[in-house]
Amino acid sequence: RKEVEQDPGPFNVPEGATVAFNCTYSNSASQSFFWYRQDCRKEPKLLMSVYSSGNEDGRFTAQLNRASQYISLLIRDSKLSDSATYLCVVNRGGSNYKLTFGKGTLLTVNP
Amino acid sequence: SQTIHQWPATLVQPVGSPLSLECTVEGTSNPNLYWYRQAAGRGLQLLFYSVGIGQISSEVPQNLSASRPQDRQFILSSKKLLLSDSGFYLCAWSRDVGTSGGPPYNEQFFGPGTRLTVL
Repeated sequence: RKEVEQDPGPFNVPEGATVAFNCTYSNSASQSFFWYRQDCRKEPKLLMSVYSSGNEDGRFTAQLNRASQYISLLIRDSKLSDSATYLCVVNRGGSNYKLTFGKGTLLTVNP
Repeated sequence: SQTIHQWPATLVQPVGSPLSLECTVEGTSNPNLYWYRQAAGRGLQLLFYSVGIGQISSEVPQNLSASRPQDRQFILSSKKLLLSDSGFYLCAWSRDVGTSGGPPYNEQFFGPGTRLTVL
């Protein structure tokens, strides 16, 4: 099992749609979980840190299921500006410094 | 607020030439610093990280090296570039565990990156 595995995508959705991304991780000792977004040919930008069982920030909701080692990101009311690659990121168990990045899921929101 | 700079933004180098990429952070002290590489179609790969001046941890054996001559400066180097060194090089910082204020200590923030093509 890969350290961090994401839906391969790509996802193409119309504006206003709700879209969900899934991610699984292999190291049960991992304690920190993040979602980053990366625009084409740009650096990754932190979208959300995932706390406890989950948290919400406006249209974005992240869920964490430690028992299943599963993380999700839900985007409601998609905007054109949400088009990007979404990266699931998990710390390597036991390390405060080492993060493992998933390969990302490409989202295109269409008008 | 904290900002992170990288230069150059793009670089085209011949095989066998040396490399020096620079990263600086402003607005924080004693940050943890990281170098990542993103090859085409692949995920980000951690190359080096540093928790203080002169302290470098290497993640992957390769012909690259890193140095941290000052608190907020991180340099990625190579003596002889290979074709396989082509990629998008990203520097990142995170807050030191011992400092107060700022983002949670394990959140990493990236610079704009250097796109390196080795021919």
